[in-house]
Amino acid sequence: DTAVSQTPKYLVTQMGNDKSIKCEQNLGHDTMYWYKQDSKKFLKIMFSYNNKELIINETVPNRFSPKSPDKAHLNLHINSLELGDSAVYFCASSEGGQGYNEQFFGPGTRLTVL
Amino acid sequence: DQQVKQNSPSLSVQEGRISILNCDYTNSMFDYFLWYKKYPAEGPTFLISISSIKDKNEDGRFTVFLNKSAKHLSLHIVPSQPGDSAVYFCAAIDTGRRALTFGSGTRLQVQP
Repeated sequence: DTAVSQTPKYLVTQMGNDKSIKCEQNLGHDTMYWYKQDSKKFLKIMFSYNNKELIINETVPNRFSPKSPDKAHLNLHINSLELGDSAVYFCASSEGGQGYNEQFFGPGTRLTVL
Repeated sequence: DQQVKQNSPSLSVQEGRISILNCDYTNSMFDYFLWYKKYPAEGPTFLISISSIKDKNEDGRFTVFLNKSAKHLSLHIVPSQPGDSAVYFCAAIDTGRRALTFGSGTRLQVQP
């Protein structure tokens, strides 16, 4: 059973396009996160939702818009894609939103913008 | 500004020997530290953690040491096994903020 799943696993698209990445967790967690792993391999938090409420919103261009239709899903929509958006995006979930709780990560979505 | 630093991008050890992975941090507000392990094409998985009120936490072959005065922590793996070959990320969280700050990772290669 996949605990945290992301689709698609790979995404190749042209600059200027709009794309979405979907994330689902079946762990019953109430907090979900999006991280970006850049070319220098740092994993950086982008957003965090707790019970469908946005609780962390790092300095991310407003072209990135997370949407949480329910506790089990946190999707990431990106408008007007740029070359610098190329990265691996990881979704994660945890029980509780304090950060001390173990976070379970999805397998990642490798986004390539041409 | 890198608040969590892993200065060794890679480490190679022989099977059966000790692996020591190091991590330094600059933010004195960090009060909880975690190590994650990552295999290629997979997401990171939690390995072990330590609160700032402790200086050591042990779980089987894995031990994390924290030196608060030096703002340094280390992960010891004894004995190292080929299956331990992966990228290890150090992460930290500060009071009041609810997100992890990760280092850039250290790639561990355990030679059979």
